[in-house]
Amino acid sequence: GAGVSQSPRYKVAKRGQDVALRCDPISGHVSLFWYQQALGQGPEFLTYFQNEAQLDKSGLPSDRFFAERPEGSVSTLKIQRTQQEDSAVYLCASSLGLVVTIGETQYFGPGTRLLVL
Amino acid sequence: RKEVEQDPGPFNVPEGATVAFNCTYSNSASQSFFWYRQDCRKEPKLLMSVYSSGNEDGRFTAQLNRASQYISLLIRDSKLSDSATYLCVVNRGSTLGRLYFGRGTQLTVWP
Repeated sequence: GAGVSQSPRYKVAKRGQDVALRCDPISGHVSLFWYQQALGQGPEFLTYFQNEAQLDKSGLPSDRFFAERPEGSVSTLKIQRTQQEDSAVYLCASSLGLVVTIGETQYFGPGTRLLVL
Repeated sequence: RKEVEQDPGPFNVPEGATVAFNCTYSNSASQSFFWYRQDCRKEPKLLMSVYSSGNEDGRFTAQLNRASQYISLLIRDSKLSDSATYLCVVNRGSTLGRLYFGRGTQLTVWP
């Protein structure tokens, strides 16, 4: 079956531009996560949705970052007024159930590589 | 201090070698432990979960020491296809599934 998909796969933005990154989770998956992975580092948590509810946004680095999942399936991560330090791979992950089930597997999408010039 | 610390390597080993990776985690409330594999320019994929009793999956053995807050991964009889970055990952039960990743250990297996 289809895995997690993300679009665009690559995005080049000029500093100050707004960008929108899309994630299509595995069908039926309740939980959706966004992570940011800088070059040579492990992924860092940004935000978590349970269906359409954003239950944790503590990892968003600034108020320029905004995420939504209005119908509990597709999610969009928006970055306003991009800065060079926003350059990274943005990974989306989904899992089947409520992640209070300890150890629930998260399935990652291929990521969007964002380069801010 | 980062939540999960790993030696970034790189580890360069010949085919057939045994190689071990270690990591430590800082939060004693951590409840779930994993090793993920990430190929170059690809997404992380779950390699195996790590249980307190230790567990094995083919050539891969994972160990957890809760007292020392230490996790290990042993790869026996290395294959060329094992070349990748190995990410040590923990989850605190209190944080709704948020995963904490180490920076990863790079492995290259040469013929």
